Formats: sequence, C-alpha cells, structure tokens
Amino acid sequence: DAGVTQSPTHLIKTRGQQVTLRCSPISGHKSVSWYQQVLGQGPQFIFQYYEKEERGRGNFPDRFSARQFPNYSSELNVNALLLGDSALYLCASRSDPTNYGYTFGSGTRLTVV
Amino acid sequence: AQSVTQPDIHITVSEGASLELRCNYSYGATPYLFWYVQSPGQGLQLLLKYFSGDTLVQGIKGFEAEFKRSQSSFNLRKPSVHWSDAAEYFCAVGLTGGFKTIFGAGTRLFVKA
Repeated sequence: DAGVTQSPTHLIKTRGQQVTLRCSPISGHKSVSWYQQVLGQGPQFIFQYYEKEERGRGNFPDRFSARQFPNYSSELNVNALLLGDSALYLCASRSDPTNYGYTFGSGTRLTVV
Repeated sequence: AQSVTQPDIHITVSEGASLELRCNYSYGATPYLFWYVQSPGQGLQLLLKYFSGDTLVQGIKGFEAEFKRSQSSFNLRKPSVHWSDAAEYFCAVGLTGGFKTIFGAGTRLFVKA
C-alpha cells in the first residue's frame, strides 16, 4: 500500500509569491493534518481536516489556508510568502480524528528567497 | 498551556550501549503520548504510543517508553543502540478530541562506533 504522498518534494519561491502543496493520504484515511517544521524545531500544527471539513487550526496567520477534496486528498496554500515560511511542510493522515497516531509523508521542503 | 519539553538537544551514545531520551509534558487532562523518529530528509515515523493501561509500552525497533504520571514524564529507552538508530527523536502529546498534537523540539541522537 502507498503511504502518505506529498508533492512537490522541494520548492523554491520568491517573497510575496503564493504556493500550493499537495497531499494524498493513505487509502481509507479520511483525516489529514498539516504541520510546519522549521529547521531545528519540532513540527507545529497548522490544520486538521476530516471529511472535507476543517476540524482544527493552529496559531498561523490567515495567509495559510487548506482544503480537503472528496477523495480525501488535501492542499495547503500559503499566500504572500515570507522568508520565515521556509520550512519542511509535513502532511499526516489517519483513519479518523479519534485514531491517535499519525502516518506522516516525507514532506515538502519550501525555501523562500 | 500544553507543552512538551525534551531537555536534551543532542545525545551521543556508543553502539551497543543503552539509551534513554527524556520527555516531560504539561497537559491538564489525560495525555495521549507518542514518540516519533525522523531520519534526515524524511517524515516522522511513529515508534510507540501510550493511551491508557500498562505504563510501560513497547514499540518498534526495540524501543520502549514508560509513562510516569507523578513526574509528567514519558521517557524513551532502548537497551542496546545500533548505528542505524542515529536520527532525531520527537516526543508528542495528543490533545483530547484528537484535533491537535503538540511536539517537543526533538533530541538528536548520535551513535559512535
């Protein structure tokens, strides 16, 4: 079975641009979460989606948005990129929100220059 | 506020020696506790989890962790470290409701021959 897949794996953007990151969860998993991991730190929670609805949001500005599609895949959008948005963006899936313990993808490395 | 503290930024252990990685948490309700491992350039892999019951939990790759409520700790142990265990280890607490997991800053493990 395929794990959690994320695309692209690496991305370089310029300040002020917009970026879209994509995530496909494990087959059968209906819950997708996004995390930001800045170099040298632990992952920080951005969003959780379940059954296409936002179920939780971390302490991130409105420049960050996400959505989940009927096939349970998800996109994370970041507008007006700042240098501080440079990080590894991790997507994680699980069968439902009460099933604690994520399966993570390998992440998208975003560099803002 | 909920938090997870990993006091050791990095630890160096000789191959074959025992390992203990420390984790302390702050959370008012019953904690759901996890340890994840991250190899360079990779996503996070779940090592083990504690929800309730026996306070000593076994995980993959020969790891175990012990939950001590009185000390708000969930330390990770391995009796004999292998060179392939060199990685970053994250302790995490899942909040009730399942919508958010808080990660510590991580401990980087170096293994010397």
